[in-house]
Amino acid sequence: GESVGLHLPTLSVQEGDNSIINCAYSNSASDYFIWYKQESGKGPQFIIDIRSNMDKRQGQRVTVLLNKTVKHLSLQIAATQPGDSAVYFCAENMADLYSGAGSYQLTFGKGTKLSVIP
Amino acid sequence: DAGVIQSPRHEVTEMGQEVTLRCKPISGHNSLFWYRQTMMRGLELLIYFNNNVPIDDSGMPEDRFSAKMPNASFSTLKIQPSEPRDSAVYFCASSLKSSNQPQHFGDGTRLSIL
Repeated sequence: GESVGLHLPTLSVQEGDNSIINCAYSNSASDYFIWYKQESGKGPQFIIDIRSNMDKRQGQRVTVLLNKTVKHLSLQIAATQPGDSAVYFCAENMADLYSGAGSYQLTFGKGTKLSVIP
Repeated sequence: DAGVIQSPRHEVTEMGQEVTLRCKPISGHNSLFWYRQTMMRGLELLIYFNNNVPIDDSGMPEDRFSAKMPNASFSTLKIQPSEPRDSAVYFCASSLKSSNQPQHFGDGTRLSIL
């Protein structure tokens, strides 16, 4: 079946530099995407989301870019800090076609581990 | 505001024993999801509920696994009998029942079956 995958399993970045984490998705019908951050011993934490009618969305120090032509999603973190060290997951929305109630499932990628070098 | 609350945080038991994991979703959320996370398989959706009704349990590994949601503020995931291969971190997440809404996760239950 279709799935979400990540280009880079690990990423090391110098503190203060910008980080870019990439994600490829294969379900062309997906219309909603989310980035999560997971720290050791904790659950995935919502960072930012984007709908398919947008190609860019900004949050606090984070930007998500969506390229539907090549089915690519990226997360940019500005001025990376030690507290940003974590595993980052992208997830795509698979609409629930059976319930008809607008509920949805998420398909997660395998994750990228970001290590920030002080 | 309280997030998704899971208990216990850690569970160690011998194979063959019954295991019950608990979840309290965020108040007002009407969709609830159970996931399992392992190094080999990543995050896998086991089952999800809308308005306390199970919608899709195709991710449940086998009949040893069962989940219930007796009311809007409580859900359980039960494994009976447990096996060593069930060892994983189990997450519960909740969201508003509408499209394009993020799921919010608890901190999980780390389950070890000896």
